[in-house]
Amino acid sequence: AQSVAQPEDQVNVAEGNPLTVKCTYSVSGNPYLFWYVQYPNRGLQFLLKYITGDNLVKGSYGFEAEFNKSQTSFHLKKPSALVSDSALYFCAVRDDGRNQGGKLIFGQGTELSVKP
Amino acid sequence: DGGITQSPKYLFRKEGQNVTLSCEQNLNHDAMYWYRQDPGQGLRLIYYSQIVNDFQKGDIAEGYSVSREKKESFPLTVTSAQKNPTAFYLCASSPGTKSYEQYFGPGTRLTVT
Repeated sequence: AQSVAQPEDQVNVAEGNPLTVKCTYSVSGNPYLFWYVQYPNRGLQFLLKYITGDNLVKGSYGFEAEFNKSQTSFHLKKPSALVSDSALYFCAVRDDGRNQGGKLIFGQGTELSVKP
Repeated sequence: DGGITQSPKYLFRKEGQNVTLSCEQNLNHDAMYWYRQDPGQGLRLIYYSQIVNDFQKGDIAEGYSVSREKKESFPLTVTSAQKNPTAFYLCASSPGTKSYEQYFGPGTRLTVT
């Protein structure tokens, strides 16, 4: 069965330091992977996706993610964190089972806190 | 402005009442989705629709119903059969069902007492 794991409930980073939010996945076929960000009481905003091609994917707001097939990981990264990056981050994988209609399977989310 | 709208933002109901959450999109997207979000559990899929007049159950469809009479609209009804209806409900849409990302509305927070 397809699944996504975000092993850290919370990540704390000092402003200006690099940040990493971890994600691992399990799919039977080729993975379609996504990162979303959610601010309090808001919907999810799309950050970036990996479908095929370069393993390093660049997205919105200076975020990037590295696809690692051997480690089945898709970690979200940013070279220099901002206080405004503090939010809830979700990793997701498209369910590649038959007739799943593009359904996304989400991790449980990682709360990122960036302190000044 | 293009996008997805959900209304209302906050909704309060008494136990035993059915309630309908609105979701409208003007992105001309074929696929639409309803998710439920609970603290610490990520998002769980309730129902999805790939085309008008067709929809499929997601992982937690019990106690919910939907309709897709128009491409732009995908309302969700939370029935009295849903045991724990208090949650944050998110609607999303997508151009298709292959490699496309989903675009989310702002959500409706439902509280049932």
